[in-house]
Amino acid sequence: DSGVTQTPKHLITATGQRVTLRCSPRSGDLSVYWYQQSLDQGLQFLIQYYNGEERAKGNILERFSAQQFPDLHSELNLSSLELGDSALYFCASSVDWGANSPLHFGNGTRLTVT
Amino acid sequence: DAKTTQPNSMESNEEEPVHLPCNHSTISGTDYIHWYRQLPSQGPEYVIHGLTSNVNNRMASLAIAEDRKSSTLILHRATLRDAAVYYCILRDEFPGQGAQKLVFGQGTRLTINP
Repeated sequence: DSGVTQTPKHLITATGQRVTLRCSPRSGDLSVYWYQQSLDQGLQFLIQYYNGEERAKGNILERFSAQQFPDLHSELNLSSLELGDSALYFCASSVDWGANSPLHFGNGTRLTVT
Repeated sequence: DAKTTQPNSMESNEEEPVHLPCNHSTISGTDYIHWYRQLPSQGPEYVIHGLTSNVNNRMASLAIAEDRKSSTLILHRATLRDAAVYYCILRDEFPGQGAQKLVFGQGTRLTINP
């Protein structure tokens, strides 16, 4: 158990809808990362937060947004969903944002858009 | 981000050592070498990381070449549970804009034969 909790585990929704994925980092970790994993793209970095502030952005679509709250949990919002957004979404956390800090991943949220 | 090169797949037998290679010829002096693995239907799992010296932990050993242009992850006695995709990733301590993205490549798919 990595200590990172993601909810829900599974989500099925229709095109055009909006969903929110939630992540609780390990106790004491200040940094949160979001990744998308689809069959044909592998693990893609979306965005990173550190102590509530955005630190790095990857190839995150404009329809997607995220935030990290004062209690350090994070939410990833996906709107105007398309079939191609179907994927596993992973959250990870680390103590800080330094290169010497390992990331600890949750078990993901599987999103299916129909 | 500096790139890594890994074999697409490797096969080994249960209870034998496994050496997973990674080439990173453009590594910079401030790049940490990280290894993660992803078991089927799970999130990535941190294995080990290092900067210059060889590292050991309960999961594996990391051998880093003297010129740092390559490294090897060593699983001392493989079990069936070690079958996974193994990712070798470089993380720059000073990436310029504080962007610690942890970019995943395609990794090495390790198969363990009973």
